[in-house]
Amino acid sequence: EAGVVQSPRYKIIEKKQPVAFWCNPISGHNTLYWYRQNLGQGPELLIRYENEEAVDDSQLPKDRFSAERLKGVDSTLKIQPAELGDSAVYLCASSEDRELREQYFGPGTRLTVT
Amino acid sequence: RKEVEQDPGPFNVPEGATVAFNCTYSNSASQSFFWYRQDCRKEPKLLMSVYSSGNEDGRFTAQLNRASQYISLLIRDSKLSDSATYLCVVKRQGGKLIFGQGTELSVKP
Repeated sequence: EAGVVQSPRYKIIEKKQPVAFWCNPISGHNTLYWYRQNLGQGPELLIRYENEEAVDDSQLPKDRFSAERLKGVDSTLKIQPAELGDSAVYLCASSEDRELREQYFGPGTRLTVT
Repeated sequence: RKEVEQDPGPFNVPEGATVAFNCTYSNSASQSFFWYRQDCRKEPKLLMSVYSSGNEDGRFTAQLNRASQYISLLIRDSKLSDSATYLCVVKRQGGKLIFGQGTELSVKP
């Protein structure tokens, strides 16, 4: 069975440019998460979806970040405009439901803002 | 203060050594506890859940002390392949995972 798929794997952009990340969760997984992981830190939740509904976006910097999960499957995370401090790995994860013990992570997108 | 705090690393140990990682959490309403493993430039993967009674999986033993809000992971007979970052993870009610900053382990021949 395919795992969580993310693209691109790497992205280098100049500050003030827009960038978008795409995630395809494991088939049948209703819950989807976007995390940001800074160097030397653990992942931090940005937003969580239950199907197509964003149920926890309290950590998402809404002035520049947006996300969507149309049809409750794939999801896109966007940053516009990017800042130097946005350089990090953006991880997508999915689980069958929010109470299930295990979240499965994708390989992440490594973003460098110059 | 962070909600989940771990021992600062890195831990450099020889093969065959026993190594222990400690973790504390501040939210007493936390429901579930886990250790995740993250290899260099890879995604985190679940290593094991942590139960109050303590649980073992081969060379790995996890312990939870709810009264002290303390979690531990013990690795016996370390292998080179155990080299990774170990993330202490706490789940809040509703499913939100809170990750510690991770402790890096390097096992040397």
